[in-house]
Amino acid sequence: GQNIDQPTEMTATEGAIVQINCTYQTSGFNGLFWYQQHAGEAPTFLSYNVLDGLEEKGRFSSFLSRSKGYSYLLLKELQMKDSASYLCAVMDSNYQLIWGAGTKLIIKP
Amino acid sequence: IAGITQAPTSQILAAGRRMTLRCTQDMRHNAMYWYRQDLGLGLRLIHYSNTAGTTGKGEVPDGYSVSRANTDDFPLTLASAVPSQTSVYFCASSEGGPTGHTDTQYFGPGTRLTVL
Repeated sequence: GQNIDQPTEMTATEGAIVQINCTYQTSGFNGLFWYQQHAGEAPTFLSYNVLDGLEEKGRFSSFLSRSKGYSYLLLKELQMKDSASYLCAVMDSNYQLIWGAGTKLIIKP
Repeated sequence: IAGITQAPTSQILAAGRRMTLRCTQDMRHNAMYWYRQDLGLGLRLIHYSNTAGTTGKGEVPDGYSVSRANTDDFPLTLASAVPSQTSVYFCASSEGGPTGHTDTQYFGPGTRLTVL
């Protein structure tokens, strides 16, 4: 079966750096997405990786290793507004997104 | 309007009743999707449409139906609601194309549905 694993919850301090990991086993691979979802709101797009390596976008970076079935989202200079759930999703061979359950990130002052 | 809108925002429904959740996008996207989100689970695809006039089944299609009469609208119907359909429903769209696409999906604000 297809599976996306990510930690349920993480806690970090304002101003610090946090890394959210995602491992996947899917039938085919057409890219990996990270989305941010604040409580009670819709998911919003953060990043897309289809080739191995690091993609940097401001305070957020996303890394992919296809051979290891592994990705991480790196958040730097954490702000209170970064408190949210972070969703990892893989596009499979049928071009359908398979979603992880999300990682709830709690930022403490 | 800009983006994707969904209606209603929330709804409490008696079991056995019929309900249609509405979704409209103004981005002229080809592809549209319906997901449900339940606590502790990832988003699960119910139905999708790659282009107007076509629809397909996702991971959890039972008890739901969709139609795509035009580019902008993609309603989701529960023919006879059951308590297990209590969930938050998100509509999404992407630029897409007739066959296969790896582009970004954009989400509507969601509908919170409770079936009693």
